[in-house]
Amino acid sequence: DAMVIQNPRYQVTQFGKPVTLSCSQTLNHNVMYWYQQKSSQAPKLLFHYYDKDFNNEADTPDNFQSRRPNTSFCFLDIRSPGLGDAAMYLCATSRPFGSNEQFFGPGTRLTVL
Amino acid sequence: RKEVEQDPGPFNVPEGATVAFNCTYSNSASQSFFWYRQDCRKEPKLLMSVYSSGNEDGRFTAQLNRASQYISLLIRDSKLSDSATYLCVVNPGSSYKLIFGSGTRLLVRP
Repeated sequence: DAMVIQNPRYQVTQFGKPVTLSCSQTLNHNVMYWYQQKSSQAPKLLFHYYDKDFNNEADTPDNFQSRRPNTSFCFLDIRSPGLGDAAMYLCATSRPFGSNEQFFGPGTRLTVL
Repeated sequence: RKEVEQDPGPFNVPEGATVAFNCTYSNSASQSFFWYRQDCRKEPKLLMSVYSSGNEDGRFTAQLNRASQYISLLIRDSKLSDSATYLCVVNPGSSYKLIFGSGTRLLVRP
């Protein structure tokens, strides 16, 4: 089945230790998104790629970076995780036209010790 | 004012009840509207798109009122498995990005 896959599902890191989360998709969608979601809050868009074009949200901290080496894969790098970065990180994909429905991966739950 | 506003709930209802959620959006140019369902500690999943004419999918009915910038979701004959958070989601029309509400939590009790 076509889908969005995220690895790992759970990630534990230490304060300040860099971490990379990965996302892959078999939907061949042009657009890939990274969201941060904390308990009882809406998903917060960090950035997205339209093909290779990177689009950062204005309030995304510099601590968060992303790479998209090809259509299928996208990575989220957190350079120096703080306690406030503990959250669920969701990857999503969509086409840039039509209904704009987004398809989500299962998420990576990040714990910072 | 938030771009998409929802009553956070929780709505606590017995099995078989009918429950309605409302959502308002601030951008009158918004183009597409969705309800997503999110189970605890899981990813959001599309429940249904919301069309201008309203649409129904089994026990679920979605309505859009563009004049009032208001979207609703009606769930009839609630099941225990309907317990989840329901996210109101809007495409504001300026791009393909979506704006998510904070969600309304539904608890269906036996």
